[in-house]
Amino acid sequence: GAVVSQHPSWVICKSGTSVKIECRSLDFQATTMFWYRQFPKQSLMLMATSNEGSKATYEQGVEKDKFLINHASLTLSTLTVTSAHPEDSSFYICSARRSGADSGANVLTFGAGSRLTVL
Amino acid sequence: EDQVTQSPEALRLQEGESSSLNCSYTVSGLRGLFWYRQDPGKGPEFLFTLYSAGEEKEKERLKATLTKKESFLHITAPKPEDSATYLCALRSNFNKFYFGSGTKLNVKP
Repeated sequence: GAVVSQHPSWVICKSGTSVKIECRSLDFQATTMFWYRQFPKQSLMLMATSNEGSKATYEQGVEKDKFLINHASLTLSTLTVTSAHPEDSSFYICSARRSGADSGANVLTFGAGSRLTVL
Repeated sequence: EDQVTQSPEALRLQEGESSSLNCSYTVSGLRGLFWYRQDPGKGPEFLFTLYSAGEEKEKERLKATLTKKESFLHITAPKPEDSATYLCALRSNFNKFYFGSGTKLNVKP
């Protein structure tokens, strides 16, 4: 089955530093990856859509200069939280949609998530 | 505006007590309604996809149904290991996936 690996699973950093989170599709190619943020006891909030070889599309209210997304290959997307502050502490989850026109390409496969704590 | 609303917010059941979770939606063009299970501190795990009204899918104690306005996740004779948050999501014409706020299910032995 489709597997998405997300790394690191948790990270603690000092305020003002930058943190990079990687999202890899291990056994399929993903032209589109999505980045979500989840606050405690809340659902997933879509931050941006990452398309291989082109600029990410950010949702309204998400700062593109703070949350840098790069989708350099069909199997890797990265989210960099720049100049992190305590309010950026959250659970970040990536997901990937397999390339193709069959029904399986509709399903989002999620990574295990990355818990960021900014001190 | 595309929107997904789930109810109840939380549900406590005794082991063996069947119930249903609701997902109401409005969308400009439905390209799939999805059910996911999420355990604490983990990413969502795919359960079902439904595409058209009247469609049903089953997996073990879970059964998902779809109408033009809502979807139900029926849980028959649940076990404690079914405890999790169940998320409903829809895929719109704009290739975006929107999630509901989830139903946190707690099944007590």
